[in-house]
Amino acid sequence: GAGVSQSPRYKVAKRGQDVALRCDPISGHVSLFWYQQALGQGPEFLTYFQNEAQLDKSGLPSDRFFAERPEGSVSTLKIQRTQQEDSAVYLCASDRGLAGGPGSTDTQYFGPGTRLTVL
Amino acid sequence: QQQVKQSPQSLIVQKGGIPIINCAYENTAFDYFPWYQQFPGKGPALLIAIRPDVSEKKEGRFTISFNKSAKQFSLHIMDSQPGDSATYFCAGTGSARQLTFGSGTQLTVLP
Repeated sequence: GAGVSQSPRYKVAKRGQDVALRCDPISGHVSLFWYQQALGQGPEFLTYFQNEAQLDKSGLPSDRFFAERPEGSVSTLKIQRTQQEDSAVYLCASDRGLAGGPGSTDTQYFGPGTRLTVL
Repeated sequence: QQQVKQSPQSLIVQKGGIPIINCAYENTAFDYFPWYQQFPGKGPALLIAIRPDVSEKKEGRFTISFNKSAKQFSLHIMDSQPGDSATYFCAGTGSARQLTFGSGTQLTVLP
């Protein structure tokens, strides 16, 4: 079956431009996550959706970052007025959303990421 | 605040060797500890995971050892192969759902 897909795979933006990154989760997956991975670092959490509801956006670094998942499937991460420090790989992950409470969890499946370079 | 500390940053072993990667966590609310493997240009892929109620878990050539009192866990790769050359990340998660990753270990297995 198809995994998590992301587009575009590479994006070059001039400083100040707005960008939109798309994530197509695995079909039927309820939960969707966005992470930011700087060069040589581990991914860092940005935001989390369960269906169309954004349950946690505590990792978004500034109000220039905005994410949505209006129909509970595809998600878009938008970055306004891009800055050079926004250059990173943006990873999307999804899971079945079966986790709940201590001791339970579900495997997050990651897409290949979008490499954003801001000049 | 770095909640998962990972070491070493890089590791080189000969084929057949047993690389060991160590992680320490701070957040006692974590109740699930996965290891992810990442190849260049790819997203992380789950390798093996453990819960804190067990001290060891084996899946094929991969073993996690877990020390709850010390808040430490480690990944051992038995009979390592050149194809295992990748970056490995430990992580922790709990009811908050988000994964908190370590900084990664770049493993090179020489033929």
